[in-house]
Amino acid sequence: QVQLQQSGPGLVKPSQTLSLSCAISGDSVSNNIASWDWIRQSPSRGLEWLGRAYYTSKWYIDYAVSVKSRITINPDTSKNQFSLQLSYVTLEDTAVYYCARGETGDFRRGMDVWGQGTTVTVSS
Amino acid sequence: DIVMTQSPDSLVVSLGERATINCKSSQSLLYSSSDKPYLAWYQQKPGQPPKLLIYWASTRKSGVPDRFSGSGSGTDFTLTISSLQAEDVAVYYCQQYHSTPLTFGPGTKVDIK
Repeated sequence: QVQLQQSGPGLVKPSQTLSLSCAISGDSVSNNIASWDWIRQSPSRGLEWLGRAYYTSKWYIDYAVSVKSRITINPDTSKNQFSLQLSYVTLEDTAVYYCARGETGDFRRGMDVWGQGTTVTVSS
Repeated sequence: DIVMTQSPDSLVVSLGERATINCKSSQSLLYSSSDKPYLAWYQQKPGQPPKLLIYWASTRKSGVPDRFSGSGSGTDFTLTISSLQAEDVAVYYCQQYHSTPLTFGPGTKVDIK
């Protein structure tokens, strides 16, 4: 059974960097038909996909244009986890952040495993 | 970006009655290589992450009760709960995973009358 366990601070100061990790059990971050995604949810933006990492012969990383200049998603094969860093945060980045497993390839099926969510508040 | 819309915003249905949620995409979600529509439905209860119910517009994920069904193709899709149960009270989201950025509908809140 695949599980994702999120960790990271729930409070970040404006202009600082939000950092979250998502530990994978029951699967490998290098699984070549999986993608490892970050999504956030807020009342103003709803569910917003932020980006993903996936491995098919080499690593690919995709980012949403809305955060592309500030985001880094980093897979860590040694720890079997992936991380999110979002720099220069503002109040607009206050949200519940989720990691999730999606799929790649021609027969992908959506995001079937989600982390528990981390409420991140941006406040001084 | 593919824009996803849903209707209605909220729905109040009696126990045992049918609930129908509509979802529309701004572009076709049919993926030519697989001939599958890349449309998923999720259920989210308060304090929980979204849960995948249906993928390829109409395929139920293993373990999802058969009162949940999906239909549609191209740009118009429907989620139907054939006989609403108390545990189905939740917000339901459609999502396209045809192309990045992956996008979600705004959600439909389902409640019991």
